[in-house]
Amino acid sequence: QVQLQQSGPGLVKPSQTLSLTCAISGDSVSSNSANWNWIRQSPSRGLEWLGRTYYRSMWYNDYALSVKSRITINPDTSKNQFSLHLNSVTPEDTAVYYCTRDSWIHSGRSFDPWGQGTLVTVSS
Amino acid sequence: QSALTQPASVSGSPGQSITISCTGTSNDVGGYNFVSWYQQHPGKAPKLMIYDVSNRPSGVSNRFSGSKSGNTASLTISGLQAEDEADYYCSSYISSDTLYVFGTGTKVTVL
Repeated sequence: QVQLQQSGPGLVKPSQTLSLTCAISGDSVSSNSANWNWIRQSPSRGLEWLGRTYYRSMWYNDYALSVKSRITINPDTSKNQFSLHLNSVTPEDTAVYYCTRDSWIHSGRSFDPWGQGTLVTVSS
Repeated sequence: QSALTQPASVSGSPGQSITISCTGTSNDVGGYNFVSWYQQHPGKAPKLMIYDVSNRPSGVSNRFSGSKSGNTASLTISGLQAEDEADYYCSSYISSDTLYVFGTGTKVTVL
């Protein structure tokens, strides 16, 4: 059974960098059949896909247009986890952030499982 | 990329069937058989209920079913139960820089 455990601060100051980590158990961040995603949810923007990292003989990333200039998602194979870094944050980035997997061999193009979520507030 | 359109709320009595619609365009829902549905209880992470339009993950009740016609996908919950009261979201894969779009969400109330 795959489980995702998120960690990271719940409060970030404006203009600083939001950083979260997602530890994977029951699967590998280097799996050739899985993609590792970050999604956020806020009352104003709803659910919003932010980006993903995945390994297919080499590492790839895809990012949403809305955050492309500010986002980095990195794998950490030594710890079997992946991270989200979102720089130059504003109060509009306040949201619950989720990590999640999509794996075509398990559940097509859908997200399962999900991390527990981290409420990140951007405020001074 | 605009969010997919869902009704804000749907309600039904225990034992009844309800259907939640998810309307997009030919660039998302209508263009791919990659619509998924999620159930979210308050304070919890979303849970996958349907993937690739009509497939049910292991462990999800067969009271949940999905379908699609043109640019509109649907989630049907039959034999409505109190535990089904939650928010439901659809999602579609789209072939653009932003790979996935979500629906606006529907609150299901069991009367």
